[in-house]
Amino acid sequence: DAGVIQSPRHEVTEMGQEVTLRCKPISGHDYLFWYRQTMMRGLELLIYFNNNVPIDDSGMPEDRFSAKMPNASFSTLKIQPSEPRDSAVYFCASSLRNEAFFGQGTRLTVV
Amino acid sequence: DQQVKQNSPSLSVQEGRISILNCDYTNSMFDYFLWYKKYPAEGPTFLISISSIKDKNEDGRFTVFLNKSAKHLSLHIVPSQPGDSAVYFCAASPNPHTTGNQFYFGTGTSLTVIP
Repeated sequence: DAGVIQSPRHEVTEMGQEVTLRCKPISGHDYLFWYRQTMMRGLELLIYFNNNVPIDDSGMPEDRFSAKMPNASFSTLKIQPSEPRDSAVYFCASSLRNEAFFGQGTRLTVV
Repeated sequence: DQQVKQNSPSLSVQEGRISILNCDYTNSMFDYFLWYKKYPAEGPTFLISISSIKDKNEDGRFTVFLNKSAKHLSLHIVPSQPGDSAVYFCAASPNPHTTGNQFYFGTGTSLTVIP
């Protein structure tokens, strides 16, 4: 398996634009997580899914953020409208048991 | 509120010496603890873990110690090597059989091993 695949690796967008980050988890994993890495908060859990169902989205910072998992092999994290303070590295991870496997992340810059 | 805390943002150690990275947590429901290592421009990768039924787990040069009463764990790397230079994240998870499989991470400690 190629591991968790995220796209794009880098995204630069203007404030107010919609941004969509994509993730393909490892096949067979039943948990999928979205994290945001910042200097202040480290790896911050935004939302996670179990068997494609959102379980806990309490980490989503605002209504501007939304996430979907239409099937077991794909998830998106959308920010609409984007703001400069959303600039960070966003990681997707998947898990089957007691270990999360991370993608390489998407570095988002909102100017 | 940060449930997993790494109070040292950075640490420098001489090659061959011991590196000790510390982590504190606040949630008594956490039952499983992990350390991840992250190189620049890469995602975090799993390093070592420990269940709450143990107080020590060793894997080669890496040992994790857990003190449940103090809600504290530490990662020891001995001997430290320049290739160990990376950001280390501590993570905790509640009992996956009762509350799901979420992982909570600390803010990370950047380790530099000086040759």
